[in-house]
Amino acid sequence: NAGVMQNPRHLVRRRGQEARLRCSPMKGHSHVYWYRQLPEEGLKFMVYLQKENIIDESGMPKERFSAEFPKEGPSILRIQQVVRGDSAAYFCASSPNGQSGYTFGSGTRLTVV
Amino acid sequence: QQQVKQSPQSLIVQKGGISIINCAYENTAFDYFPWYQQFPGKGPALLIAIRPDVSEKKEGRFTISFNKSAKQFSLHIMDSQPGDSATYFCAASPSGGSNYKLTFGKGTLLTVNP
Repeated sequence: NAGVMQNPRHLVRRRGQEARLRCSPMKGHSHVYWYRQLPEEGLKFMVYLQKENIIDESGMPKERFSAEFPKEGPSILRIQQVVRGDSAAYFCASSPNGQSGYTFGSGTRLTVV
Repeated sequence: QQQVKQSPQSLIVQKGGISIINCAYENTAFDYFPWYQQFPGKGPALLIAIRPDVSEKKEGRFTISFNKSAKQFSLHIMDSQPGDSATYFCAASPSGGSNYKLTFGKGTLLTVNP
């Protein structure tokens, strides 16, 4: 069991570029959650997805951010026109059901220069 | 609005000592309280969790104490080891339809000196 796989581990983007973060959930898990961790802060909920559906995106910024979890393939968190304030660690988690005892991946550290 | 307040921000303990990290919450709808351990460059890993129907839960050297009336819970690490050095986060999630959504504290950086 490979756990929750996130890639890339590190991503550097210039201001204005797009960032695409990928998350493959644990085998058998169909529920995916994205969290953002700013320096010296706790994790903040962004979005909860099931296959092909966004269940709760209340933590997502209204502009430039989007997420998907297609029928086939990994979940993608997409940030358009990145700004310096988007620099953070983005963590994905998965669970077999829609409850909070889930497993986190190792994260993608996004740096916007 | 910070719904889960964690203290201290950092903690230094000698090997063999007891590490204590405290959290307080405001939302009375919270009914699941996990603690996560995070090593540098890694994701948070679930360490131990408790629900409000019990006041204490112990797993090995790790114990959660829960005080529902005070809306506080704490993590105790007995016989602390250098390998326990990490950042610890408390969290909480509500009952009902949003029970998937964790609210985290800001974390405690624990250093255990040999």
